[in-house]
Amino acid sequence: EDQVTQSPEALRLQEGESSSLNCSYTVSGLRGLFWYRQDPGKGPEFLFTLYSAGEEKEKERLKATLTKKESFLHITAPKPEDSATYLCAVQAGSYGQNFVFGPGTRLSVLP
Amino acid sequence: NAGVTQTPKFRVLKTGQSMTLLCAQDMNHEYMYWYRQDPGMGLRLIHYSVGEGTTAKGEVPDGYNVSRLKKQNFLLGLESAAPSQTSVYFCASSYLRGGVSSYNEQFFGPGTRLTVL
Repeated sequence: EDQVTQSPEALRLQEGESSSLNCSYTVSGLRGLFWYRQDPGKGPEFLFTLYSAGEEKEKERLKATLTKKESFLHITAPKPEDSATYLCAVQAGSYGQNFVFGPGTRLSVLP
Repeated sequence: NAGVTQTPKFRVLKTGQSMTLLCAQDMNHEYMYWYRQDPGMGLRLIHYSVGEGTTAKGEVPDGYNVSRLKKQNFLLGLESAAPSQTSVYFCASSYLRGGVSSYNEQFFGPGTRLTVL
C-alpha cells in the first residue's frame, strides 16, 4: 500500500533558525513528489515537484531534495511569513491519477 | 486568471439533504479532482476526471457523485448527506508534464467548508 508520512507533526522556530521537514514515502513506481504550502482557511499552494533521486529545487528560503525513500524541505533563515502547514504528496503507479498526501507539518516561525 | 474557483465557500446541511459543489478552472487543464481534508489526515481523493465527459473513482468515493459536462467545470454531488461527510472539500486541476517522467502538477481552489448536522 502506498504511504506518505511527515515529521515532525509541528515545528516552532525562531526567526532566522534554519531547519528541515521530512517526508518519507513507500510507493510502487514514483512519478512525482510534490511539496505544497497551505495557509489556514486556504487551499494548498504548489511549491515544488521532484521526480528523480538526487534532484534538488530551490525557491527563496526553501530548498527541496529527494532520495529514493524520502524528501526534505530545508528552510533557511525563516521569517514569520513562512509560517504555514507544509504538505508532501506523491503521484504513484505507472499510469493513472493515484495521489497520496501526507498529513502535513505545521510550521510556526516566531519573531 | 482566476485559477481554480469553488462555490459555495461554506454550507450547512441537515442529514439527508442533498447539494452540489461547483468547481471551475480557467487554465484549460484536462484533469480535475475532488478531495476532502479532515483534521490530522492528508487530503484524500474522492473522484477525478481526465477529460470532458469522463470521471473515475478515487480513494473515498462512497456517498458522492461527480459530473464533467464541460472541460472547465467539475461538479461534486452529495445525494443524501451524512455527518461523516462534514469536511473541507478542495477541487484541483492539473496538466500532464511529459518527458522522462510524466506527472501532474495540481493547482487547488480555496475550498468549501461543509457541515452536516
